[in-house]
Amino acid sequence: NAGVMQNPRHLVRRRGQEARLRCSPMKGHSHVYWYRQLPEEGLKFMVYLQKENIIDESGMPKERFSAEFPKEGPSILRIQQVVRGDSAAYFCASSPSRDRGYEQFFGPGTRLTVL
Amino acid sequence: LAKTTQPISMDSYEGQEVNITCSHNNIATNDYITWYQQFPSQGPRFIIQGYKTKVTNEVASLFIPADRKSSTLSLPRVSLSDTAVYYCLVGDGPGSSNTGKLIFGQGTTLQVKP
Repeated sequence: NAGVMQNPRHLVRRRGQEARLRCSPMKGHSHVYWYRQLPEEGLKFMVYLQKENIIDESGMPKERFSAEFPKEGPSILRIQQVVRGDSAAYFCASSPSRDRGYEQFFGPGTRLTVL
Repeated sequence: LAKTTQPISMDSYEGQEVNITCSHNNIATNDYITWYQQFPSQGPRFIIQGYKTKVTNEVASLFIPADRKSSTLSLPRVSLSDTAVYYCLVGDGPGSSNTGKLIFGQGTTLQVKP
């Protein structure tokens, strides 16, 4: 049973470009969470999605950031017009149900570097 | 969600037992206590969760006193590979209306020395 997959593992973008981060949850998991970890800081919740629905986006910056989890395919975290402050590790996690949301399975992360 | 306080860092030696204590004075009746482990350049990994008394699995034990205002993660006979950051989280557990959003603090950086 493959774990949570994220790609790319490393992404370099110039200021003003768009970044697309992909997350494939574990098989059978329909709940996806995105977290961001800035250098030397802890993880911060960004958004929680179920298939085709955004459940909680209280941690998402109001501008430039969006997330989706379509019926088919991976979850996508999209950052438009990236700035240097967006440089961070972005982790995706999945869980099999809302009741087990405390036990989340994390992917290896995507490290975004903005030049 | 209750705020947690844990030591910033701890040192230990191989083969020793390590106990990391987390304070959560404002824990609510429905809150569970969950611990995660994170190695450098990796995503966190769930270790253990408990509500009260003691919980043990193949990796660690979690001790929770009766007042639940603190908890202690116990790692038996640590090895160099246990060097990692350990996070204590408090929040709604199974069966609650919680969205599952995890609130991470700064964690405790455990350094295991040979």
